[in-house]
Amino acid sequence: EIVLTQSPATLSVSPGERATLSCRASQGISNNLAWYQQKPGQAPRLLIYSASTRATDFPARFTGSMSGTEFTLAISSLQSEDFAVYYCQQYYHWPLTFGGGTKVEIK
Amino acid sequence: QVQLVESGGGLVKPGGSLRLSCVASGFTFRDYYMSWIRQAPGKGLEWVSHISNDGSTIYYADSVKGRFTVSRDNDKNSLHLQMDSLTADDTAVYFCARVHDWGQGALVTVSS
Repeated sequence: EIVLTQSPATLSVSPGERATLSCRASQGISNNLAWYQQKPGQAPRLLIYSASTRATDFPARFTGSMSGTEFTLAISSLQSEDFAVYYCQQYYHWPLTFGGGTKVEIK
Repeated sequence: QVQLVESGGGLVKPGGSLRLSCVASGFTFRDYYMSWIRQAPGKGLEWVSHISNDGSTIYYADSVKGRFTVSRDNDKNSLHLQMDSLTADDTAVYFCARVHDWGQGALVTVSS
């Protein structure tokens, strides 16, 4: 099973600041990684797929990147609606696995 | 527009059974593999099961293997999850998913 390790578990950021979230895979997964945003009481929403392709619902301040088995989600200037939990997911190999999540909270 | 609507959740006693359903619309259901993913209260996401587009390939997480059965009806655009021998650890919101599109989920609570 491919293990995804997200860090940090909680990120406290002021509105307008930049946030950088990390997801490390235990083995190579090519670019088969997605990021999801989840707000309380809602289903996760696809944010990024193929490591760096942004879903149409989300603005350009969200950027995904990868280097080897390290994946990064950057939010350039946090808006109030961006405070949420973010999960990474690999779909390179069964079983699908998820990271433990990063909660982005208001500082 | 892809729509996935789960139903069948509820309260069940330990050892009991429940059957979840997911009705799909907005895409050609028979062309896609489908998954069930769950989220226990206040916890992260756990993949539960996958079924290929024609139902010939099925996978389960170890935590549900032997107790849960996934199936699909391509003529009715529906996906099902039969859950038997339920325990408190199965308490979660269960999401039906097509690749990266998810339904809103169905809450399953296992409690006496």
